Amino acid sequence: AQTVTQSQPEMSVQEAETVTLSCTYDTSESDYYLFWYKQPPSRQMILVIRQEAYKQQNATENRFSVNFQKAAKSFSLKISDSQLGDAAMYFCAYRSPSGAGSYQLTFGKGTKLSVIP
Amino acid sequence: GAGVSQSPSNKVTEKGKDVELRCDPISGHTALYWYRQSLGQGLEFLIYFQGNSAPDKSGLPSDRFSAERTGGSVSTLTIQRTQQEDSAVYLCASRTSGGSGTGELFFGEGSRLTVL
Repeated sequence: AQTVTQSQPEMSVQEAETVTLSCTYDTSESDYYLFWYKQPPSRQMILVIRQEAYKQQNATENRFSVNFQKAAKSFSLKISDSQLGDAAMYFCAYRSPSGAGSYQLTFGKGTKLSVIP
Repeated sequence: GAGVSQSPSNKVTEKGKDVELRCDPISGHTALYWYRQSLGQGLEFLIYFQGNSAPDKSGLPSDRFSAERTGGSVSTLTIQRTQQEDSAVYLCASRTSGGSGTGELFFGEGSRLTVL
């Protein structure tokens, strides 16, 4: 079974600075998808960024980018120019390849990010 | 609707009572998931529905938990004889069916259950 580990329960960053959230995972599969979700106090999980394992290029979405190290099974999230609205819980998630069952996501335990004005 | 809708937003109940949580997925989404999020924990998969196929119930923690999906749309998660350890946020998610792509899940805002 796949596992996802987020080793930083809490992080803080000064507004406008950059922060990196860590995620490692364990899998025997060669193809899969990785995600970062944001959960603000409203509780709704919002997709921040996704990465297909077969792509070597790191995904980017505006101020959000990932450092995907497949051999190390590492998938960190970098938030640049942090804003107050970035304060939330961030969850790393893993999914087996397309067509493999239920598309069920396996989540880490999350990192609580605080942004200091 | 525009997004996944869940009700109630918050539910407080007494130990031993039954509760029902409702999820209305995005229109046209054939796949529906229930997850449980306990305090300080990640999301734990509970059950998955896809069209008319038999649901994947592999994540249900005990036989006190059940779920149904009527007409391929609205789903109800039922917890019988609630226990204090059932206290959690119950999140519902939906997605479009099959095809290529990443199968992105769209989540509701969850139902927070507190068992006294």
